[in-house]
Amino acid sequence: NAGVTQTPKFQVLKTGQSMTLQCAQDMNHNSMYWYRQDPGMGLRLIYYSASEGTTDKGEVPNGYNVSRLNKREFSLRLESAAPSQTSVYFCASNIDRDAYEQYFGPGTRLTVT
Amino acid sequence: KNEVEQSPQNLTAQEGEFITINCSYSVGISALHWLQQHPGGGIVSLFMLSSGKKKHGRLIATINIQEKHSSLHITASHPRDSAVYICAVSRGAQKLVFGQGTRLTINP
Repeated sequence: NAGVTQTPKFQVLKTGQSMTLQCAQDMNHNSMYWYRQDPGMGLRLIYYSASEGTTDKGEVPNGYNVSRLNKREFSLRLESAAPSQTSVYFCASNIDRDAYEQYFGPGTRLTVT
Repeated sequence: KNEVEQSPQNLTAQEGEFITINCSYSVGISALHWLQQHPGGGIVSLFMLSSGKKKHGRLIATINIQEKHSSLHITASHPRDSAVYICAVSRGAQKLVFGQGTRLTINP
């Protein structure tokens, strides 16, 4: 099993450009999450999907959209990138709800200039 | 004030020392998680606990629900234990709340 995979690993964007971060898991998990990690801030939840077909906002959703394409895949889209979105992005998944262990992807380091 | 506070923020120790990292939280929780983030950036779940104590190898995690406090202990520390250790609490509604992490450096 690959666990949770993310693409790309690194990306540099210019302000105003758009891009989609891809995440997939092969553990048959119901719930998937997108976090961002900034120095001194800890991990913050952007969006989550409790199950296939549902998505909900987390703590810092502004500037992002998500799609739960199927049970395996959960993508994060930046429509018009801003320098404030420079961060490391992690996708995670778990069986169901927040009282279960989460499995994290390797992260995407995004720089917006 | 953050809902989840970790201490210390940074910890440097010599190989073989007993390490303790603390986590305090201010809200009711359903579970507490300890995570490890290595210098390469990957995040791994170490423990999830809602009461008592769990042990895995040289790592021990304890939680006191009444005092809203958890500790992560590392016995016989080794340079490969150098990482950022993150405490997070489950509060329901699919959300984890994370502490800011403790950066641990073990010198040989």
